[in-house]
Amino acid sequence: RKEVEQDPGPFNVPEGATVAFNCTYSNSASQSFFWYRQDCRKEPKLLMSVYSSGNEDGRFTAQLNRASQYISLLIRDSKLSDSATYLCVVSMTTDSWGKLQFGAGTQVVVTP
Amino acid sequence: EAGVTQSPTHLIKTRGQQATLRCSPISGHTSVYWYQQALGLGLQFLLWYDEGEERNRGNFPPRFSGRQFPNYSSELNVNALELEDSALYLCASSLAPSYGYTFGSGTRLTVV
Repeated sequence: RKEVEQDPGPFNVPEGATVAFNCTYSNSASQSFFWYRQDCRKEPKLLMSVYSSGNEDGRFTAQLNRASQYISLLIRDSKLSDSATYLCVVSMTTDSWGKLQFGAGTQVVVTP
Repeated sequence: EAGVTQSPTHLIKTRGQQATLRCSPISGHTSVYWYQQALGLGLQFLLWYDEGEERNRGNFPPRFSGRQFPNYSSELNVNALELEDSALYLCASSLAPSYGYTFGSGTRLTVV
């Protein structure tokens, strides 16, 4: 079983619509969670951290469900510029281990 | 503030040669991470350096190696290049994994 699993998509979303997708992680002791965005052939960029109480950044809302070991990302009022691959990222148990585990990504395509 | 810088941007090598990739972290970041991303695939963890020491490595053969210098910049060396080493090599730096990573724009290595 992969440590971080994502639906690869693509999620085809009309402009202005809402899209949501999840990511599951296998290590129940995982500490930190993030969503990154990666455009085609570019480097991943941090979109937002995910906090236990859930958090919002403009049109983006992230949720963490520790009991079921998944995190989610919701994008409201989708823009064409939101088309990208969204990477779910999980930090393992201790900072001393040092490694963030990346999911393979969920592709979102926003259409006019 | 300067971000993570990587050089060269593109590198073309012949099978069997050696490649050297360079990375300068964000000022104040002591940890440097290397990832490989083959075309259409997810990020694969290669190496983690912190305070000049190799702290962790991914499931890659020993011909992938590197080092971190006293100024925290880092070098990734790939010996005896194989065609399947063709990929985008990403360097990231961080204060700590709980803060997430900041990536450089990558070095695109092509082995012919």
